Amino acid sequence: QKEVEQDPGPLSVPEGAIVSLNCTYSNSAFQYFMWYRQYSRKGPELLMYTYSSGNKEDGRFTAQVDKSSKYISLFIRDSQPSDSATYLCAMTRSGNTPLVFGKGTRLSVIA
Amino acid sequence: GAVVSQHPSWVICKSGTSVKIECRSLDFQATTMFWYRQFPKQSLMLMATSNEGSKATYEQGVEKDKFLINHASLTLSTLTVTSAHPEDSSFYICSAREKVRGSREQYFGPGTRLTVT
Repeated sequence: QKEVEQDPGPLSVPEGAIVSLNCTYSNSAFQYFMWYRQYSRKGPELLMYTYSSGNKEDGRFTAQVDKSSKYISLFIRDSQPSDSATYLCAMTRSGNTPLVFGKGTRLSVIA
Repeated sequence: GAVVSQHPSWVICKSGTSVKIECRSLDFQATTMFWYRQFPKQSLMLMATSNEGSKATYEQGVEKDKFLINHASLTLSTLTVTSAHPEDSSFYICSAREKVRGSREQYFGPGTRLTVT
């Protein structure tokens, strides 16, 4: 079992839809969770950063972490064509350890 | 804030030559920098972790003599691909972690596309 599982998609939704992206993980030591957006041929851009369980909202984006289920989610409200990108979940434990990434989900928002 | 730059953004070199890629944190001090490699439509593959002033830690299967990493200051790390071959052609991305206690946020550069002919 991989440490972090993420459905690669592709996921195609109409403009204005609510998008739900998810990752599961196996290492209960993970405490820091991130979501990145990566456009083609660009570096990943940090969207959301969450420590431990709970919700965090930033504009149209909401990140949820459920440590008891080892499950994290990113919700995008009122999706726009400009949201079309690959979304990567990432997580790490305490100490100066590298991030562990999911494979990324390719999202297309159709106008 | 939290901007990471990379230079060059793309480079074409001949087989057998060496290429140096620079990674800079522009508005913060980075205790740790990471180097990744990414193939088309695939996720990031961590190559090495470097802490300022110490030797880099390489992931299994990454040749440290081929991919030389130097982290000379809190704002600069370099990756040198020595004696490059066509199979080294890839997208190389660096990232930096801010020197703030407890922070695990990691910011990525825009990437460098290397083509070896």
